[in-house]
Amino acid sequence: DQQVKQNSPSLSVQEGRISILNCDYTNSMFDYFLWYKKYPAEGPTFLISISSIKDKNEDGRFTVFLNKSAKHLSLHIVPSQPGDSAVYFCAASEGGYQKVTFGIGTKLQVIP
Amino acid sequence: DTAVSQTPKYLVTQMGNDKSIKCEQNLGHDTMYWYKQDSKKFLKIMFSYNNKELIINETVPNRFSPKSPDKAHLNLHINSLELGDSAVYFCASSLPNTGELFFGEGSRLTVL
Repeated sequence: DQQVKQNSPSLSVQEGRISILNCDYTNSMFDYFLWYKKYPAEGPTFLISISSIKDKNEDGRFTVFLNKSAKHLSLHIVPSQPGDSAVYFCAASEGGYQKVTFGIGTKLQVIP
Repeated sequence: DTAVSQTPKYLVTQMGNDKSIKCEQNLGHDTMYWYKQDSKKFLKIMFSYNNKELIINETVPNRFSPKSPDKAHLNLHINSLELGDSAVYFCASSLPNTGELFFGEGSRLTVL
C-alpha cells in the first residue's frame, strides 16, 4: 500500500536542460509535501517543500508544483547541473508532520 | 561537528545476535526518528520520539527496542537478529511541526 509513488526509477538529462521528477500520492489527507535529495553513502537531505494550500513553491533552480485534484506533484530543476545527480525522494505528511511517508526514489543523472 | 551522527556505519553480524546502533544530534531538536531502508530502497519510518517519549511505533517487531536517554540521543537495539533485518538504518531529527528531517549518514546492517 504505497501511499507515495514515484513511477520512474531513473531519469537522464543533459546539463543545462530541465529535469522533471514526478510523484503521485493516494492519501488525500496529506497536507505537506517534500522533496529530499540523496547522494550515495549519505543520508537524505531536505530540498524543498510545499503546503497543500499552495500549488507552487520556488527556491532558486528548484520548483515544486502540486496538483491536488490529480494527487500529483513534480519537482523541476532548471538548469540541471552535474552536481544534481542523485536519488530524489518525494515525501508527504499529514496533520502534524510527525510521520513523513517516502516514495521509493528516482535516480537522476545529469550528463555533462 | 556532524549534525546527526550514527555509529557504527557498517555492521556485519550473525543471525541470532543482539546489536545496537547509536544516534546523536547536536541540532537541539526535540524529535528524533529511526527509518529503515530495505533492499527495495523503500524508506520507512520505524519509531519517532519527542523529547524522550515514544510517539510513533510503526508495527515494528518487539525485537527492535529504541531507547532515548535524553532528547539528543536515540539508540536502536535489535535482539535475535534475522536475515530480513539486513538494511540501512537512518536516524533523523526535526523541529516541531515540520517535516524537514535531518538525517544521519545511515548504518548498514548485514545479517549473515
